[in-house]
Amino acid sequence: GNSVTQMEGPVTLSEEAFLTINCTYTATGYPSLFWYVQYPGEGLQLLLKATKADDKGSNKGFEATYRKETTSFHLEKGSVQVSDSAVYFCALCPTGTASKLTFGTGTRLQVTL
Amino acid sequence: DTGVSQDPRHKITKRGQNVTFRCDPISEHNRLYWYRQTLGQGPEFLTYFQNEAQLEKSRLLSDRFSAERPKGSFSTLEIQRTEQGDSAMYLCASSSPRGPQNIQYFGAGTRLSVL
Repeated sequence: GNSVTQMEGPVTLSEEAFLTINCTYTATGYPSLFWYVQYPGEGLQLLLKATKADDKGSNKGFEATYRKETTSFHLEKGSVQVSDSAVYFCALCPTGTASKLTFGTGTRLQVTL
Repeated sequence: DTGVSQDPRHKITKRGQNVTFRCDPISEHNRLYWYRQTLGQGPEFLTYFQNEAQLEKSRLLSDRFSAERPKGSFSTLEIQRTEQGDSAMYLCASSSPRGPQNIQYFGAGTRLSVL
């Protein structure tokens, strides 16, 4: 079956530091890949997505590249801000279906001044 | 319409009681999903509707759980004879067939506490 593995948190960084959150997946075919973010007290928000190999999703300074050879979709940001403190979830959806999302366990990011 | 709406935001109940949650999807989104999220975990799929038809159910959805979407708009999720293990955040999401890559938009969730 499909699965997503994320690095465990929490990740604690100083403001303006470089961020990487690792995500690898197991799936048949070519799933679509997503990063969702959950701010305290709020619902999940789509951060970025990629639908095929070598696609790069980007939004709000965050980037992730769909690497089929390593089955990875690592999230990166060059300079984090305190406002980026949240829980980040990597997820996949089988291609061409209206099917369910399979999520990783989430990685909590805490950014300090 | 600003997004997926869930009601109530919080529900505290005693073990053995029945509870019902409501989800209003984004207008014209014909697909609606329910997920359950426990502390420290990612959301887990429960069930999915396309219009009023329930097309997929997870093994997590025991016979105490029932979901409906009678008119293809809002949906309800009922849990009968609640157990402490049902305590979780219940998330609803919706998507449009015209949207790209089946992007699902989530509500803020209903947090259930079973005492």
